[in-house]
Amino acid sequence: AQSVTQLDSHVSVSEGTPVLLRCNYSSSYSPSLFWYVQHPNKGLQLLLKYTSAATLVKGINGFEAEFKKSETSFHLTKPSAHMSDAAEYFCVVSRSGGYQKVTFGTGTKLQVIP
Amino acid sequence: NAGVTQTPKFRVLKTGQSMTLLCAQDMNHEYMYWYRQDPGMGLRLIHYSVGEGTTAKGEVPDGYNVSRLKKQNFLLGLESAAPSQTSVYFCASRAGTSGNNEQFFGPGTRLTVL
Repeated sequence: AQSVTQLDSHVSVSEGTPVLLRCNYSSSYSPSLFWYVQHPNKGLQLLLKYTSAATLVKGINGFEAEFKKSETSFHLTKPSAHMSDAAEYFCVVSRSGGYQKVTFGTGTKLQVIP
Repeated sequence: NAGVTQTPKFRVLKTGQSMTLLCAQDMNHEYMYWYRQDPGMGLRLIHYSVGEGTTAKGEVPDGYNVSRLKKQNFLLGLESAAPSQTSVYFCASRAGTSGNNEQFFGPGTRLTVL
C-alpha cells in the first residue's frame, strides 16, 4: 500500500523569497517519488524525480527536493520564487520496480505575490 | 515527437449522451492511464493499461469503459454521461518495467455534462 499527503493546499510567497512545498509519503515498498507542476489550463509537467540514487534531487527551473527516509518526506524547495512559478504542484509516489501503481497527492497551489 | 495528444480538447454533453475520448502517444510506451481531475481532489485514476489489448480498473472506474486495441491509442468511453462526470480528463503514458519512469501527460479534455 502507498499514499502521499501534501500538507498545504495553498502556499503564498513573495517574489524573490524561498518556496517550500511539503510532501509526506508512505509506502510498503522502496518508493519512487516525483514532483509535477501544472500551470493553469495545462497538462502536468515533470519537475524532478527521486529513484533511489542521490537523496537531493535537482529539477528544472531551479527546483530541488530532498528524500528523507527517516521522515518519509520529499519536500520541494526553490531559493527564490519567480512569478512564473505560480501553478499547482503535485507530489507523486510510485512503486520502484514491478507493478506500476502511481498515487497522486491532492496538490498545492502556489501563489507568488509581486 | 508529439508526445501524448488528446482529442477533443473541449466537449459539452447532455445527460445520457455518449462519447469517446481519444488518447494517442508516439513514444512506444507500454503503459497508458486515464485520470480525472476535480478541484481539491488531485488526479484520480479511472482505468489503465499495461499493454496492447489489456485494461484494468483504477480508483473510479464506474460509468467509464476503455479499450487499447493498438499500443499507441487508449480510448475512454462514456456510455451514458452524467453531470457527476463533468471534469477535466488527462491521459498519460509511461515506459514499462520500472517504477522509476515518469508519466507523460496529454493537455487534457475539459468535459461538461449538462
